[in-house]
Amino acid sequence: EAEVAQSPRYKITEKSQAVAFWCDPISGHATLYWYRQILGQGPELLVQFQDESVVDDSQLPKDRFSAERLKGVDSTLKIQPAELGDSAMYLCASSSSWGRNEQFFGPGTRLTVL
Amino acid sequence: AQTVTQSQPEMSVQEAETVTLSCTYDTSESDYYLFWYKQPPSRQMILVIRQEAYKQQNATENRFSVNFQKAAKSFSLKISDSQLGDAAMYFCVRAGNMLTFGGGTRLMVKP
Repeated sequence: EAEVAQSPRYKITEKSQAVAFWCDPISGHATLYWYRQILGQGPELLVQFQDESVVDDSQLPKDRFSAERLKGVDSTLKIQPAELGDSAMYLCASSSSWGRNEQFFGPGTRLTVL
Repeated sequence: AQTVTQSQPEMSVQEAETVTLSCTYDTSESDYYLFWYKQPPSRQMILVIRQEAYKQQNATENRFSVNFQKAAKSFSLKISDSQLGDAAMYFCVRAGNMLTFGGGTRLMVKP
């Protein structure tokens, strides 16, 4: 069964360091989402891609976060420099199209910033 | 801001009983979609049920059904014959021009 892959599963870093997360969506899925989920809360959409284009990054803290999906397939989310408040689960999801279709979620990357 | 509110942080149900999780949302759009997603402990988020806003008929999926009240902007989830495997965080999601998750309801199922 096709799944969304994410790596690493866990990341511990010190504040001011750079971190990067990788996501490989289900093959053929044009839409890719990155979410941040703080423990005990609902996911917050950081960025949404349609193929290689960003369609919504209104909640992405652009001074320190960046995201790319260069070939419209896999994607990387980067934080530089990491801050203590960035500790959270970072979820990637994909769907065949925006809005009406089911999103398939990856296992997430749990980031701890010390 | 277009918000999604889940007013019950935690709910508890006896195995085999029925439970209803509440969700209200804010939107100015006429065309949007509503979802309930389930996030089991340490496991991936999965779709439970989906409702198109233009459809009046409430969606059902086996033991899961919704009560969609468009005018009231309410979208509750009913789980019948609750099972131990239903224990999870449940998130209500509105997808329109913006995609927004509610804060979640933790469902505990007592044997």
